Amino acid sequence: SQQGEEDPQALSIQEGENATMNCSYKTSINNLQWYRQNSGRGLVHLILIRSNEREKHSGRLRVTLDTSKKSSSLLITASRAADTASYFCATDAMPGSARQLTFGSGTQLTVLP
Amino acid sequence: DVKVTQSSRYLVKRTGEKVFLECVQDMDHENMFWYRQDPGLGLRLIYFSYDVKMKEKGDIPEGYSVSREKKERFSLILESASTNQTSMYLCASEWGDPGDTEAFFGQGTRLTVV
Repeated sequence: SQQGEEDPQALSIQEGENATMNCSYKTSINNLQWYRQNSGRGLVHLILIRSNEREKHSGRLRVTLDTSKKSSSLLITASRAADTASYFCATDAMPGSARQLTFGSGTQLTVLP
Repeated sequence: DVKVTQSSRYLVKRTGEKVFLECVQDMDHENMFWYRQDPGLGLRLIYFSYDVKMKEKGDIPEGYSVSREKKERFSLILESASTNQTSMYLCASEWGDPGDTEAFFGQGTRLTVV
């Protein structure tokens, strides 16, 4: 079953613009993570935000978490063509659930040069 | 750096063949996972393991089995490959305490069953 659902499914922007992707989930979580996947490759961990955090920064990445709305957003500022990839959110459920990350279906980001 | 290595990047197998996908991690992680990834469906968990000789079914275990004889190696087995098992297969190992986990993925195996 899908825990995280990304929105939009696909996003196309010009280089230099900001890209915002959203993730909604259903159950209580310990943390939420964002991953990136280049075409045909494995996933790479980008950033983790804990349930008691509201915002986190890492380089050009900014992640927010709203546990009352069960949603998160990933903002990539000043995008580059090399940011073209699929982006996935993954949720780490609260204790008592099976210990596993549950991934959404991803947002395909295309950054046009 | 953590390394998760899958034995093949690309595989082509015939219907009915027994297929082994191997995954090895070098960081002594206890938790390992097999996912398949299909367009529009995201990552779906097939099987996972929290310890040697331990395995649990994920969301879509039918048609698959796994083996974890050593901590560093987690194998996915397609007992009798079928065309609907054509997919990208991703192995991951997981680090961290409950509530603070991070997954490390292999590069993926694209399996085509003909």
